[in-house]
Amino acid sequence: GIQVEQSPPDLILQEGANSTLRCNFSDSVNNLQWFHQNPWGQLINLFYIPSGTKQNGRLSATTVATERYSLLYISSSQTTDSGVYFCAGGSQGNLIFGKGTKLSVKP
Amino acid sequence: EAGVVQSPRYKIIEKKQPVAFWCNPISGHNTLYWYRQNLGQGPELLIRYENEEAVDDSQLPKDRFSAERLKGVDSTLKIQPAELGDSAVYLCASSLAVSGTDTQYFGPGTRLTVL
Repeated sequence: GIQVEQSPPDLILQEGANSTLRCNFSDSVNNLQWFHQNPWGQLINLFYIPSGTKQNGRLSATTVATERYSLLYISSSQTTDSGVYFCAGGSQGNLIFGKGTKLSVKP
Repeated sequence: EAGVVQSPRYKIIEKKQPVAFWCNPISGHNTLYWYRQNLGQGPELLIRYENEEAVDDSQLPKDRFSAERLKGVDSTLKIQPAELGDSAVYLCASSLAVSGTDTQYFGPGTRLTVL
């Protein structure tokens, strides 16, 4: 099956800093999504992005499908950005999740 | 518009007891998913429904787990009997497209503790 590798596993930022999270896939995927799991456990979908670039406020994501990786950019981080960021990919609706990047934003 | 609803939010049971989780997806969503998330890990798909049909249940431990989605709307996931290793958060998600290749929306989950 598809392997999903996320980096870094942990990230500590000062409020206002920028960051880039990376997700590598062992095989091609036609379904790729980024999620944020807040400290209360709720998973929020950030992007559905099998290819190309999307932006939503301070967040943006880029997927290079031919090279099997995706990047999530967080600009001007805020304490409310803390939590775990997951990428997930697969075919059809069968998403395989990575182990996540745990982000802590300090005030 | 209401999101994905799950109940109960928390459940504590003794091993060998049965337990059931309920999920009501976003109105109009055709595809429903059950995931299990162990501590410190990403969610793992247990079963995916397209309308009433289970199209992928390869990761569902069928000796003790069962699921149903009657009338293609809400769904129930059951474990009987529960084992210590079943302690986890059980997440339900839904998406609009029948193919499943679109945004998945997650419910708040049910945290199961098996003693």
